[in-house]
Amino acid sequence: QSALTQPPSASGSPGQSVTISCTGTSSDVGGYNYVSWYQQHPGKVPKLMIFDVTERPSGVPDRFSGSKSGSTASLTVSGLQAEDEADYYCVSYTGSSWVFGGGTKLTVL
Amino acid sequence: QVQLVQSGAEVKKPGSSVKVSCKASGGAFSRYTISWVRQAPGQGLEWMGGIIPTFGTANYAQRLQGRVTFTADESTNTVNMELSSLRSADTAVYYCARLSGSSWYREVDYWGQGTLVTVSS
Repeated sequence: QSALTQPPSASGSPGQSVTISCTGTSSDVGGYNYVSWYQQHPGKVPKLMIFDVTERPSGVPDRFSGSKSGSTASLTVSGLQAEDEADYYCVSYTGSSWVFGGGTKLTVL
Repeated sequence: QVQLVQSGAEVKKPGSSVKVSCKASGGAFSRYTISWVRQAPGQGLEWMGGIIPTFGTANYAQRLQGRVTFTADESTNTVNMELSSLRSADTAVYYCARLSGSSWYREVDYWGQGTLVTVSS
């Protein structure tokens, strides 16, 4: 199972919006509505930001949203804040396992 | 509040095995899937597989099949991950992670603190 494809980096200024893509195949992202996004600050444990493509856990700001079109899922961060600077990973169910994206480093300029 | 507490850091020789434990407290244990995810230094997250303690059903990542074993002890609310034939590429932080249900497609709602395993001669 190949890793999902994410851009290595993304950036935006405070207050702007940034979208991070996560491209897979019909065997993972395109075949299931079980895509999650995790935020990880350096040296910290990952934190769930989005699950089931669009769902946001309680406590996660509504600035974070998820979507999917075909085999590409996306995470959008609106109203960027300094604390959003982190690595972001997508992960998809494949029917029997998980596959992660390579991660995107989000920089707030 | 659910907590997953993992065993401490390990340093191992190539070719040896390592066992990392993950003890759950503060919530139901058996009916939730416990997955394992690892992260090599400076690298991304890699799914290793998981186990549903109440069924003893384990699921392993294909690339680790044959080298990794998950076991669960319901009496102590502990899940163990054992990785054998260690090589330098296995140097990583190993996380246990509780999924929000017993289904394999559920998301992680709680993470362990991570255990650094270093493989070095």
